[in-house]
Amino acid sequence: NAGVTQTPKFQVLKTGQSMTLQCAQDMNHEYMSWYRQDPGMGLRLIHYSVGAGITDQGEVPNGYNVSRSTTEDFPLRLLSAAPSQTSVYFCASSYGTSNYEQYFGPGTRLTVT
Amino acid sequence: AQSVTQPDIHITVSEGASLELRCNYSYGATPYLFWYVQSPGQGLQLLLKYFSGDTLVQGIKGFEAEFKRSQSSFNLRKPSVHWSDAAEYFCAVGGMDSSYKLIFGSGTRLLVRP
Repeated sequence: NAGVTQTPKFQVLKTGQSMTLQCAQDMNHEYMSWYRQDPGMGLRLIHYSVGAGITDQGEVPNGYNVSRSTTEDFPLRLLSAAPSQTSVYFCASSYGTSNYEQYFGPGTRLTVT
Repeated sequence: AQSVTQPDIHITVSEGASLELRCNYSYGATPYLFWYVQSPGQGLQLLLKYFSGDTLVQGIKGFEAEFKRSQSSFNLRKPSVHWSDAAEYFCAVGGMDSSYKLIFGSGTRLLVRP
């Protein structure tokens, strides 16, 4: 099992550019989520999905889009990158139902100049 | 609104000394409680979790945590710290609704003196 994988590991964007952060899991988890991690702020939930075709907003969704066409994949799209989106992004997955334990990917470090 | 507080931003302990990291939560009922560890440049790894039952839970790497309902706390402890424990530790709560979301504290960075 690869667990939760994220690509790319590092990315530099210019303001206004768009890009997609990829996330995939091979554990057949129903629940997937995206967090951003900023110094002194812990992890903040951007978007989450409780199953294919179902997504919802978290705490800080502005500037990001998600879709969930398959159980395995949950890409995060930055529509028009801004310096405020410079952060480390983590994808996580969980069995859902009554099991809240989340498995995290290794992260993507994004810099927007 | 639900929240998680980790009052210590940094903690420094000597190798071999005991450790306690504090976590307090704000929620009307008993949430599900978690401690995660993040080594530099890595993702988060689950150390332990509390759902119900015995309020003292054992985790990996020799860590334990105690749930105290009266204090809304879930402090992490280790009797003897190793240099490899230097990392950032996050407390998280879940179970507030049916969305399976976790709310994380801001983290405590542990430094270990040789």
